[in-house]
Amino acid sequence: EPEVTQTPSHQVTQMGQEVILRCVPISNHLYFYWYRQILGQKVEFLVSFYNNEISEKSEIFDDQFSVERPDGSNFTLKIRSTKLEDSAMYFCASRYYEQYFGPGTRLTVT
Amino acid sequence: AQKVTQAQTEISVVEKEDVTLDCVYETRDTTYYLFWYKQPPSGELVFLIRRNSFDEQNEISGRYSWNFQKSTSSFNFTITASQVVDSAVYFCALRQGETSGSRLTFGEGTQLTVNP
Repeated sequence: EPEVTQTPSHQVTQMGQEVILRCVPISNHLYFYWYRQILGQKVEFLVSFYNNEISEKSEIFDDQFSVERPDGSNFTLKIRSTKLEDSAMYFCASRYYEQYFGPGTRLTVT
Repeated sequence: AQKVTQAQTEISVVEKEDVTLDCVYETRDTTYYLFWYKQPPSGELVFLIRRNSFDEQNEISGRYSWNFQKSTSSFNFTITASQVVDSAVYFCALRQGETSGSRLTFGEGTQLTVNP
């Protein structure tokens, strides 16, 4: 069964560093998403992407964040200058009808 | 604005007990979709069910059943004869109708622990 994949599974970075989280959505899906989940809290929407552009973003998704679909298969989330409060699990999702989530990348900012 | 409330933060039951997880939602849209996801200790989010706002028929899938009531804006989830493997955090989520973005709005989640 097709699935969303994410790499790396865990990333540790120092405050102020740039990170890129990678996702490979399910191949025939048209909508792509990033969500985050701070430890012990609910899942929060960051951004949605459709037809090669951002279709919606939340107030969390400020200028430090960007998304890209560079090659028609990968979907990336970049955080330019990480802060301690960016530590969270980041989930990628893709959708045709239902949103299917990847296994997540745990980002730890020290 | 959309909102999902899961008032039960934690539930603990003994194996084989039935358990119901509550979900109440708020939306001004007439077309919307409701979801349940399971998050086991390994951390991934597993899709369980989607219901649309025009279909209030209850659904049963094995030991799982869902009760959707528009009159009370609720979409409750019942596990019959619970098992230890059901231990997880369960999230209810809401999505607006078929717009291109259609973000999911999640509730706070209910931690279900099933003890042997």
